[in-house]
Amino acid sequence: GAGVSQSPRYKVAKRGQDVALRCDPISGHVSLFWYQQALGQGPEFLTYFQNEAQLDKSGLPSDRFFAERPEGSVSTLKIQRTQKEDSAVYLCASSWKGLASYEQYFGPGTRLTVT
Amino acid sequence: QKEVEQNSGPLSVPEGAIASLNCTYSDRGSQSFFWYRQYSGKSPELIMSIYSNGDKEDGRFTAQLNKASQYVSLLIRDSQPSDSATYLCAPKGATDSWGKLQFGAGTQVVVTP
Repeated sequence: GAGVSQSPRYKVAKRGQDVALRCDPISGHVSLFWYQQALGQGPEFLTYFQNEAQLDKSGLPSDRFFAERPEGSVSTLKIQRTQKEDSAVYLCASSWKGLASYEQYFGPGTRLTVT
Repeated sequence: QKEVEQNSGPLSVPEGAIASLNCTYSDRGSQSFFWYRQYSGKSPELIMSIYSNGDKEDGRFTAQLNKASQYVSLLIRDSQPSDSATYLCAPKGATDSWGKLQFGAGTQVVVTP
């Protein structure tokens, strides 16, 4: 079946602009995660949703970052007043959280460049 | 001390040889462990999961887990040029019931023909 999809794949924003990144998880997956990956590093956790509930947002680096998943399917990560340090790849992953025990499947990511 | 430690590499492996990747983690309560492969410019791809001490084999991949030593490894047998990638170790934290993963920085593997 279809995997996790993300859009846009690439985004260039001028410093101070707001951006919205979309994630469409695998159908039926309850859990949805956002990660941020800097060049040469492993992904860093940002936030977690179980259905529409945001259960953990401890990884969001500042209050400029906001995520939602209003109907328990598609999720949007919004970054307000972007800064150069926000430049990274933003990865979305989904998981069924059933017998597979937390196996997460990643989308292709959105590469954000803030100029 | 980082929570998940991996040798950054690059690990150069002749084609056909065994690549051995190591990972240590600090959270003693971790119960679930995952290996992801990431090609340059691509997103991580799940290749192995392991939950019990010992070995788990899947094709040319073998994951080894030793919870007492807080150590997990990945062996790639009969390495192929297509195995050239960065391999990420990701334990699930003991206190995270919903599966938040802690990733290492990854080990870059280069398979030379």
